[in-house]
Amino acid sequence: QKEVEQNSGPLSVPEGAIASLNCTYSDRGSQSFFWYRQYSGKSPELIMFIYSNGDKEDGRFTAQLNKASQYVSLLIRDSQPSDSATYLCAVKGAGGGNKLTFGTGTQLKVEL
Amino acid sequence: GAVVSQHPSWVICKSGTSVKIECRSLDFQATTMFWYRQFPKQSLMLMATSNEGSKATYEQGVEKDKFLINHASLTLSTLTVTSAHPEDSSFYICSAYEGTETQYFGPGTRLLVL
Repeated sequence: QKEVEQNSGPLSVPEGAIASLNCTYSDRGSQSFFWYRQYSGKSPELIMFIYSNGDKEDGRFTAQLNKASQYVSLLIRDSQPSDSATYLCAVKGAGGGNKLTFGTGTQLKVEL
Repeated sequence: GAVVSQHPSWVICKSGTSVKIECRSLDFQATTMFWYRQFPKQSLMLMATSNEGSKATYEQGVEKDKFLINHASLTLSTLTVTSAHPEDSSFYICSAYEGTETQYFGPGTRLLVL
């Protein structure tokens, strides 16, 4: 079982719709959860992080965490073509050292 | 926000040569930096953790004698790919830990070994 799992996609949504990206993790002791966006040919950029159960909102983005289900998601409201990218879920484990384990990413396509 | 730079952004070299990549945190001090490698259409794979003033910690399967890491100051870490071969061609990305929760990534270095 992979430590951090994401559906590779592509996930296609129409412009203006809500995009929902999901991630599951295997280490129950994981502490912090991050969403990064990576455009083709570029390095990842941080969207947001979450470490408490529930929702965390930042502009059009909402991260949701359910530690009991070992599940974290990212919602993108009012999706725009510029949101088309690969979204990487990353998890900081219980072992410390600030290492992140990345999922393989979900490719999002926002269509006009 | 925290800014991390990498140099060079692109490098083409002949097989057998060594290549040095620099990673700098521009507006914060980074006691810890990380080096990743990403092959096309794959996710980031952590190569090593670089701690200022001490030896790097390499992930399983990464040859420490081939990928030399030096973190001589709180704002600079370097990765040297020694005796590079075509299979080392990849996208190398560093990140710097800014002390709270977050790693910030540099723009990456594309290495092509001919």
